[in-house]
Amino acid sequence: AQSVAQPEDQVNVAEGNPLTVKCTYSVSGNPYLFWYVQYPNRGLQFLLKYITGDNLVKGSYGFEAEFNKSQTSFHLKKPSALVSDSALYFCAVRTGLFNDYKLSFGAGTTVTVRA
Amino acid sequence: GAGVSQSPSNKVTEKGKDVELRCDPISGHTALYWYRQRLGQGLEFLIYFQGNSAPDKSGLPSDRFSAERTGESVSTLTIQRTQQEDSAVYLCASSPWGGGGPETQYFGPGTRLLVL
Repeated sequence: AQSVAQPEDQVNVAEGNPLTVKCTYSVSGNPYLFWYVQYPNRGLQFLLKYITGDNLVKGSYGFEAEFNKSQTSFHLKKPSALVSDSALYFCAVRTGLFNDYKLSFGAGTTVTVRA
Repeated sequence: GAGVSQSPSNKVTEKGKDVELRCDPISGHTALYWYRQRLGQGLEFLIYFQGNSAPDKSGLPSDRFSAERTGESVSTLTIQRTQQEDSAVYLCASSPWGGGGPETQYFGPGTRLLVL
């Protein structure tokens, strides 16, 4: 079975400071990892994904994530947070097996960026 | 192009009534997924459609839940005899292909269901 843990329910940072949202996963074999963001009353928006290759993945809105196989982590980062980054962030994982499609999501981390 | 759309955006119903939720996937996407998001929780997989293959219904929580899809287009999720624990946001997603590669799932805005 595959699973995702987001150990922090909430992350609070000041605008301009670095933002990190943590994610660890458990999956058989090689993982495909995703980050989504959800703004109030809106659906999930795709930010970035890791499939293979370079452990540092760059995505939308200046976000990036680092895949660490030994620590089974995929933390989301942004060097300088904006107030508009305040939202709910979800990490998700699926296996890399052919014909596997089920995404398992973490419970989400609420990010608040204060001005 | 147009994204995934869902209707209604909000639905309030009485316990015991049936509800139908609709999803229009992105044109050309053969794979379609339904998820449930309870307050303060992550997404819970419900059902998956891929082309003309038999759907994967393994995530449906009870036999009160059912879903259909017409070809590679619209899908409806039906909840019969709704219960208060069915209150949640129901999210639909689509992707170009469900397996064989790390396709991104694109989500609709969701239907917020409240069962009184």
